[in-house]
Amino acid sequence: EADIYQTPRYLVIGTGKKITLECSQTMGHDKMYWYQQDPGMELHLIHYSYGVNSTEKGDLSSESTVSRIRTEHFPLTLESARPSHTSQYLCASSVVNEQFFGPGTRLTVL
Amino acid sequence: KNQVEQSPQSLIILEGKNCTLQCNYTVSPFSNLRWYKQDTGRGPVSLTIMTFSENTKSNGRYTATLDADTKQSSLHITASQLSDSASYICVVSDRGSTLGRLYFGRGTQLTVWP
Repeated sequence: EADIYQTPRYLVIGTGKKITLECSQTMGHDKMYWYQQDPGMELHLIHYSYGVNSTEKGDLSSESTVSRIRTEHFPLTLESARPSHTSQYLCASSVVNEQFFGPGTRLTVL
Repeated sequence: KNQVEQSPQSLIILEGKNCTLQCNYTVSPFSNLRWYKQDTGRGPVSLTIMTFSENTKSNGRYTATLDADTKQSSLHITASQLSDSASYICVVSDRGSTLGRLYFGRGTQLTVWP
């Protein structure tokens, strides 16, 4: 089991609120990723990072933003949550050919 | 368009039985193919990873096969257990970028009944 953590695991919040989903890994991996996954659907890459101060948007357009100030930390922020943001958000980090996933944050926006 | 298609979409089997899940892909160029197990409400966990030159790989009761010519892979589960109930996701990586882009299937939802 990989050492990658996400908090909170579950979040229910009202429309318009600002939220930050936390992701941290203790493996020293340079590459980190955020995926969005709806029930029964494939994972979609929304953000990735090659290392500190490096962030890129993924394939799926997202209103969220990310930052990478420290190697081990890759938080995702939504400035104003909407019901369309309701989904599961998975963080991952990688080395060579292997990606390790966190447990995910289940976000519900009312 | 690079795609990964999995079948069946869902499967129910009795405890102790074997099953085989299928994955067809059109990703090119091809780097590697992985099978992940994702329990409900959890992140995916890697089961196997195979490169172009490998055609079979085992991890306990899980055996994955790869036919790079036909672009097909299968995951065989032997003597299923209740804990095998999960979604099994096929993921293919290309080597067209430094990121090693991953293409995800939608998964096969396996339910094992006692």
